Amino acid sequence: EDQVTQSPEALRLQEGESSSLNCSYTVSGLRGLFWYRQDPGKGPEFLFTLYSAGEEKEKERLKATLTKKESFLHITAPKPEDSATYLCAVRQSPHSGGSNYKLTFGKGTLLTVNP
Amino acid sequence: DTGVSQDPRHKITKRGQNVTFRCDPISEHNRLYWYRQTLGQGPEFLTYFQNEAQLEKSRLLSDRFSAERPKGSFSTLEIQRTEQGDSAMYLCASSFGGGDGYTFGSGTRLTVV
Repeated sequence: EDQVTQSPEALRLQEGESSSLNCSYTVSGLRGLFWYRQDPGKGPEFLFTLYSAGEEKEKERLKATLTKKESFLHITAPKPEDSATYLCAVRQSPHSGGSNYKLTFGKGTLLTVNP
Repeated sequence: DTGVSQDPRHKITKRGQNVTFRCDPISEHNRLYWYRQTLGQGPEFLTYFQNEAQLEKSRLLSDRFSAERPKGSFSTLEIQRTEQGDSAMYLCASSFGGGDGYTFGSGTRLTVV
């Protein structure tokens, strides 16, 4: 079964139209939830790591939040250059059957921001 | 610091041929990872090195795949007797310890014809 589920699969916004992307996870013993941005034909670019429920991190127009079951990536007043695929990944504690190095990714959300 | 470098960026090969990819991690990073990504999917873990030791190899990797990291520096990923199902983007990442955000390279796009 999927450990990481991202929704929606695709999202189209107008410039300035704020929205949120969702990442639901089912792993126990979370040792980090990661957000990446990926442009076509390139490798993922690191955005944030969140470790505990209630934690929030911000960078420019992006804000990531974490609960015990999901994470949200909020995009405020997006610009066309924010268009990309946004990937979520989890790392599971060794005490819960995971490793302290392996990331398990979701399929991503393809965001398109129209001018 | 030039980030994680991967070579080549693109590789087209005939089915049955062997291919080798190279990854140069960030110099102070002791951990190196290989992932594979197919269209519409997130990256999938293949293998992990801590310094020169290969500590885990995913069951996704058949015996046709081998990876090395001599002297804990660059790494190579070799695929023998390539199959069409091997067509994917092969991503390398590195980190220092198990801390925040792993740095990914731009990947090697493999097409098996």
